[in-house]
Amino acid sequence: KAGVTQTPRYLIKTRGQQVTLSCSPISGHRSVSWYQQTPGQGLQFLFEYFSETQRNKGNFPGRFSGRQFSNSRSEMNVSTLELGDSALYLCASSLGPGQGAYEQYFGPGTRLTVT
Amino acid sequence: SQQGEEDPQALSIQEGENATMNCSYKTSINNLQWYRQNSGRGLVHLILIRSNEREKHSGRLRVTLDTSKKSSSLLITASRAADTASYFCATDLTGNQFYFGTGTSLTVIP
Repeated sequence: KAGVTQTPRYLIKTRGQQVTLSCSPISGHRSVSWYQQTPGQGLQFLFEYFSETQRNKGNFPGRFSGRQFSNSRSEMNVSTLELGDSALYLCASSLGPGQGAYEQYFGPGTRLTVT
Repeated sequence: SQQGEEDPQALSIQEGENATMNCSYKTSINNLQWYRQNSGRGLVHLILIRSNEREKHSGRLRVTLDTSKKSSSLLITASRAADTASYFCATDLTGNQFYFGTGTSLTVIP
C-alpha cells in the first residue's frame, strides 16, 4: 500500500496570507489527524477528522481549520499567517474508531515557512 | 501543557549498548504509543501498549507501562547507529486524540 502523502512538501508564505495543505491517507484509512511540530512547542495536536466530521480538536485558534472529503483525503487551512505558524505540519492516518487501537501512520510533512 | 514528558531529553550511547527512555503523563489513557522520528521527517510508529497491558516486546524493543505511576519506558537493546533518532511517546486519551511528549534525542555512536 502507498503511504500517507502530503503536498506540498515545502512552502514559503508571507505574513497575512493563507495556505492550504493537503493529505492523502493510506487506502482504507478513514481517520486523518493533523499535527504542528515546532522546536519550541514540540508536536501539538490540531484536529482529527473521521467520515468528513471533525471528531477532536486541539487548542489552536480559529485561523486553523480543516476538512475531510468523502474519499478520506483531508486539507487544512491556515488563514492570516503569522511568523509563529512556521512549522512542520504532519498528517497521520489510521483506520478510525471502532477498529481496535489506533496506530497512526504519518506522512513526511509539509514544512511551512512564514516570512 | 503537553500530556507526555520524556526523560532524558538527550541520550548518547555506544553501539551495542542498551538505551532506556522514560515517559510520564498526567491523566488516564486508553493506550500509549512510541514513535521514532529521523531528522525532522515524519514519525514512524514503533509499538503500542494498551492501558490494561504492562509489558510488550517487538524485536529489540521492550515497552513497559505503569498506569499507577502514569509512566512508560522504552528499552532498545543492542543499539545500532541506525537507531539514532528522536523518540516520542504519545498518549491517547479519548480515542484518536494523541498528545505527544517532548521527545528523547538518541545518538548511537558507532
